[in-house]
Amino acid sequence: QKEVEQDPGPLSVPEGAIVSLNCTYSNSAFQYFMWYRQYSRKGPELLMYTYSSGNKEDGRFTAQVDKSSKYISLFIRDSQPSDSATYLCAMSGGTNAGKSTFGDGTTLTVKP
Amino acid sequence: EADIYQTPRYLVIGTGKKITLECSQTMGHDKMYWYQQDPGMELHLIHYSYGVNSTEKGDLSSESTVSRIRTEHFPLTLESARPSHTSQYLCASSRQGGEKLFFGSGTQLSVL
Repeated sequence: QKEVEQDPGPLSVPEGAIVSLNCTYSNSAFQYFMWYRQYSRKGPELLMYTYSSGNKEDGRFTAQVDKSSKYISLFIRDSQPSDSATYLCAMSGGTNAGKSTFGDGTTLTVKP
Repeated sequence: EADIYQTPRYLVIGTGKKITLECSQTMGHDKMYWYQQDPGMELHLIHYSYGVNSTEKGDLSSESTVSRIRTEHFPLTLESARPSHTSQYLCASSRQGGEKLFFGSGTQLSVL
C-alpha cells in the first residue's frame, strides 16, 4: 500500500469552476504538507506549504490539512486555462524529515 | 524563479554507455535530491545529500551513483545504461529543513 494516495484521476472542468484535489496518507508522523504544480515537460514548482493542521489561503488557492483524518485538500477557485497542469501532493516528517513523499498526481485540464 | 539547472534536457543513448546527468544550483542550498518520475507515477527519491561529501541512497533502489564535491553541484552517473533506466530524472534543492523543494526542469533519458 502506498504511503500517499492521491485522487481524483484526470480531471476536466470548465473555466471558472471550483476544483478540489485530495490526498490521504498513512504515516501519522507527517507534519509538513505541500502541493506542487507541474506543467508538461517541466519540473514541479511549489504552490502551497502547510505545517501541521489548518487552512492556508493564497489568492485563488486554499490548502487544508486534517491530521486527525490523515487527509489534505487543495481547492482552486475560479479556475483558469493556465491552471491546466499536474498537481502533486507531498508530505514529510518524523523519520522522513527532510525527505518528501509524493502522491502520483492529478492532471487537471481547464477548458475555456 | 528558482535557480537550479539540469543538463541535458533530453538524452537518447545506447545500452552499455556511461552517462552523467548534471545538476547545479546557485541558491547556496545545503540539501540536494534526485528523484525519478515515470509518466502518471509518483516521484521516487533515489539519492539525496545534506551537504558536501554527504550522500545517501533514497527509498527507490537505483543503480546510479552521485557525488557532492561542491555545494552547488550534484551530478548523477550511470556506469552502464540499460533500457530499464529510461525515465525522467529530476534534481531538486532546499534550504536546511528540506520541505520546500526547488526543482530543475528534468532530464528525459531514453536508453535504446
